Amino acid sequence: DSGVTQTPKHLITATGQRVTLRCSPRSGDLSVYWYQQSLDQGLQFLIQYYNGEERAKGNILERFSAQQFPDLHSELNLSSLELGDSALYFCASSVGTVDPYEQYFGPGTRLTVT
Amino acid sequence: GQNIDQPTEMTATEGAIVQINCTYQTSGFNGLFWYQQHAGEAPTFLSYNVLDGLEEKGRFSSFLSRSKGYSYLLLKELQMKDSASYLCAVTTDSWGKLQFGAGTQVVVTP
Repeated sequence: DSGVTQTPKHLITATGQRVTLRCSPRSGDLSVYWYQQSLDQGLQFLIQYYNGEERAKGNILERFSAQQFPDLHSELNLSSLELGDSALYFCASSVGTVDPYEQYFGPGTRLTVT
Repeated sequence: GQNIDQPTEMTATEGAIVQINCTYQTSGFNGLFWYQQHAGEAPTFLSYNVLDGLEEKGRFSSFLSRSKGYSYLLLKELQMKDSASYLCAVTTDSWGKLQFGAGTQVVVTP
């Protein structure tokens, strides 16, 4: 158990819908990262927050957005869902100070868009 | 562009040694990580290299050559539970976002 929690574990929804994925980082970690893992694209970085502020953006679609709240939990919002958004979404956390630190991954949310 | 390459699959026998190579071409470099991922599960951290050389951690060792853009992960005394995907990842900034290779599926046979 990494100490990172993600809910829900599984999500099945229809095209065009909107969903919210939730992540709670390990106690004391200030950085939260979101990754998408699909069969054809591998593990792709989406976005990073540090202590409530966005720090880095990867190949995140405009239909996707995220935020980190004062209690440090984070939410990833996916809207106008398409079949191709079906993937495993991981959240990871790290201490997130100056040097890169080991990232601890949550168990993931498996999103299926039908 | 950014490129992280590793072999797709490797097969080895229980008790043997396997070396997984990773080459990278990235704009900037601030460290290289190896993660293990079992199917449908979260990646788990194995090793981190930022300076040239070998880092040893029990049955796992990782090597880095920054000038060659090259790393390898060495798995010794293979066990059946080592059957998994091994992901090479590079971070290019101080905030630590990871760029992953496609992963190497290691199959351990009896």
